Amino acid sequence: KQEVTQIPAALSVPEGENLVLNCSFTDSAIYNLQWFRQDPGKGLTSLLLIQSSQREQTSGRLNASLDKSSGRSTLYIAASQPGDSATYLCAHPGGGANNLFFGTGTRLTVIP
Amino acid sequence: NAGVMQNPRHLVRRRGQEARLRCSPMKGHSHVYWYRQLPEEGLKFMVYLQKENIIDESGMPKERFSAEFPKEGPSILRIQQVVRGDSAAYFCASSPRTSGPNTEAFFGQGTRLTVV
Repeated sequence: KQEVTQIPAALSVPEGENLVLNCSFTDSAIYNLQWFRQDPGKGLTSLLLIQSSQREQTSGRLNASLDKSSGRSTLYIAASQPGDSATYLCAHPGGGANNLFFGTGTRLTVIP
Repeated sequence: NAGVMQNPRHLVRRRGQEARLRCSPMKGHSHVYWYRQLPEEGLKFMVYLQKENIIDESGMPKERFSAEFPKEGPSILRIQQVVRGDSAAYFCASSPRTSGPNTEAFFGQGTRLTVV
């Protein structure tokens, strides 16, 4: 059974701090792993997609890493800002590649 | 190039009514996926469609739920005789014609269904 776990479920940090969000998955044969951002009452915005052959991807203040052997991915956010407050979701394709398996997310609050 | 468009954004239905949720994929995308997000839960896959074909409906409830993606027009997720437990956010995603496991999916803003 595919499982994707995100711990902690919620995180509060003061503005300016660097932080790491964690994602664990049970399928070591994933094709890729994707990080999304979801604002309250809104849709999902794709942040980064890491292919299985890659170790990390960077976009601005965001850096995502992938370690398939240990079943872990991290999303590093540098110099956090209040505008970063949102729920962050990780997901990977299922075995049939027809759908994404999502974690339950980490709700981040950056305090001004 | 507009993103994935879903409408309505919010839908209120009384128990027993029908709900119709629409999704127009991004231009050039012919693969559509529907997901449901129950309150305080993660997104769960429901169904995967290509034009005029249901490819994978393994996540669809066995009764009252159906989906289509006609040759012309948006994809429709239809829920008949809605119950309170159907209240959720329903998200649509699309990917390009040459979709594969490494293809990025793009999500719409979702339709929030409330059953009263």
